Amino acid sequence: NAGVTQTPKFQVLKTGQSMTLQCAQDMNHNSMYWYRQDPGMGLRLIYYSASEGTTDKGEVPNGYNVSRLNKREFSLRLESAAPSQTSVYFCASSDRGQPQHFGDGTRLSIL
Amino acid sequence: EDQVTQSPEALRLQEGESSSLNCSYTVSGLRGLFWYRQDPGKGPEFLFTLYSAGEEKEKERLKATLTKKESFLHITAPKPEDSATYLCAVEGGGADGLTFGKGTHLIIQP
Repeated sequence: NAGVTQTPKFQVLKTGQSMTLQCAQDMNHNSMYWYRQDPGMGLRLIYYSASEGTTDKGEVPNGYNVSRLNKREFSLRLESAAPSQTSVYFCASSDRGQPQHFGDGTRLSIL
Repeated sequence: EDQVTQSPEALRLQEGESSSLNCSYTVSGLRGLFWYRQDPGKGPEFLFTLYSAGEEKEKERLKATLTKKESFLHITAPKPEDSATYLCAVEGGGADGLTFGKGTHLIIQP
């Protein structure tokens, strides 16, 4: 009963390095989302994909790119990491109008 | 722009001491109001969806209610295992995705 799986769980990067956060869901949901959670800020939407082949910007998209590889997978890429991108990143999936289901997050530190 | 404000930021209760958490919101065309529970080191876990004013949902010791401006999460006779951060979020009629509040950190002492 996996639900939403995120990899890696933890990562430390140096400023300027790049990396891709992976997310996969097994609930056959059409929509997938990336959020970041920072202390005192709540969760904020970075990008979302309403269906396979489409992506749209959320509230805080700068410095990120996404790829909806297929219906199951939605990746988040940091091309040139900055200390301000230190955060916990959550992936979620849902069908329209239904509750979003979240993974357990990737904890990313950028030095 | 959709906005969600939760209060209090933190709440400490004795086991069995009932209370309520508040979620005030402004949204353009409410599609749904969601309550989640988040434990340390974990992702948010879905609790309830409310769609229209006057609606109520219950699950064990939790009951969620909705008006046109706010939602309450009532916790009756809580137990230590109810300790968590409770998040409120809205989905509006604009772009997809949820707008979250900052959460209420609830501690239930035995």
